[in-house]
Amino acid sequence: LAKTTQPISMDSYEGQEVNITCSHNNIATNDYITWYQQFPSQGPRFIIQGYKTKVTNEVASLFIPADRKSSTLSLPRVSLSDTAVYYCLVGEGGFQKLVFGTGTRLLVSP
Amino acid sequence: DSGVTQTPKHLITATGQRVTLRCSPRSGDLSVYWYQQSLDQGLQFLIQYYNGEERAKGNILERFSAQQFPDLHSELNLSSLELGDSALYFCASSVAPSADTEAFFGQGTRLTVV
Repeated sequence: LAKTTQPISMDSYEGQEVNITCSHNNIATNDYITWYQQFPSQGPRFIIQGYKTKVTNEVASLFIPADRKSSTLSLPRVSLSDTAVYYCLVGEGGFQKLVFGTGTRLLVSP
Repeated sequence: DSGVTQTPKHLITATGQRVTLRCSPRSGDLSVYWYQQSLDQGLQFLIQYYNGEERAKGNILERFSAQQFPDLHSELNLSSLELGDSALYFCASSVAPSADTEAFFGQGTRLTVV
């Protein structure tokens, strides 16, 4: 099971771009990298998933270097409502345990 | 709305009691996951089922058990409850138990043990 390491917390201001990096040195060949967002007292919500290079959707981008030992979630122009905990997960392939780490607590200020 | 339904939303019970939490996955999803989240703590993976069979187990206590029924709904049974079992319990579902599928989470059941 690939262990992930993320910063415990990050601060930003409205309108800025936020990049959250996750380290996963032991990622396996068939592992995917997935990011979830969680607001207080709510269930996590899928943000984005990727395997290699770059993935972009309507809310975020995910950058994965060639060695796949890390990944960066990029949130463009954050707003106050982006204040949440962001989790990086690395799937172990096959039956997925979906093990969440400690996550990164992002605080967006006016 | 994720499509995953958890009942009840809130539950207050006394130590030593037993409770059952229920989860109805999204239509078409075969895989169900259970998580425990204590106050200001991370999500602890408990157990996963796929099409009625247990497929992965995390740090689930022996006092806890779960099952997935033929209609794919799942129940998490917590017995001999202790104060430390007070937490939010989340259920998630996905169409397949593989690493490239998105999991959808319910709104959780908040259990308070007094």
